Amino acid sequence: AQSVTQLGSHVSVSEGALVLLRCNYSSSVPPYLFWYVQYPNQGLQLLLKYTTGATLVKGINGFEAEFKKSETSFHLTKPSAHMSDAAEYFCAVSEQTGANNLFFGTGTRLTVIP
Amino acid sequence: NAGVMQNPRHLVRRRGQEARLRCSPMKGHSHVYWYRQLPEEGLKFMVYLQKENIIDESGMPKERFSAEFPKEGPSILRIQQVVRGDSAAYFCASSPALLASNEQFFGPGTRLTVL
Repeated sequence: AQSVTQLGSHVSVSEGALVLLRCNYSSSVPPYLFWYVQYPNQGLQLLLKYTTGATLVKGINGFEAEFKKSETSFHLTKPSAHMSDAAEYFCAVSEQTGANNLFFGTGTRLTVIP
Repeated sequence: NAGVMQNPRHLVRRRGQEARLRCSPMKGHSHVYWYRQLPEEGLKFMVYLQKENIIDESGMPKERFSAEFPKEGPSILRIQQVVRGDSAAYFCASSPALLASNEQFFGPGTRLTVL
């Protein structure tokens, strides 16, 4: 069974500071991993994804995430926060084979302080 | 190339009424997924459909909820006799048939309010 845990439902950082959003997953098989961003009253936009290959994945808007199999983690980072990064961030996993649906974490709301 | 389209964006219903939510997938996408997002929660999978077929409905409540994706036209999520607990944002996602990464493209959602 798949599950996703996002530590910290709310994270606040100062503008220009490092952003670190945590995601741990449990899966019986190596999963595909995703980070989505949701702005208020909007749908989800894909930030980045890991399928196979290089474990450090670069996404849009300067975000990146590293798949660490030994830690079952896929934390999202950005070196320098921008005001426009304020949003809700969701980590999601899916199986590589079989079921196609995504399992989402409960989300982390990022606030950027000027 | 238009993205996933959902309508209406906002829907208000009284208890006991029916709600119909529509989703038009991206052009060329034949797989549709419906998710529900309750306030302050993540998205929960409801149902996965391909044209004219329900592939996985393991996340659908057993009663009052149904979904279809006809050969022609949008996918429809139907909620009969709505209750206040059905108030949520309902998101549709689509993917092409042979996308190996399971990446899904999301619509803007329909926000259902049950009075």
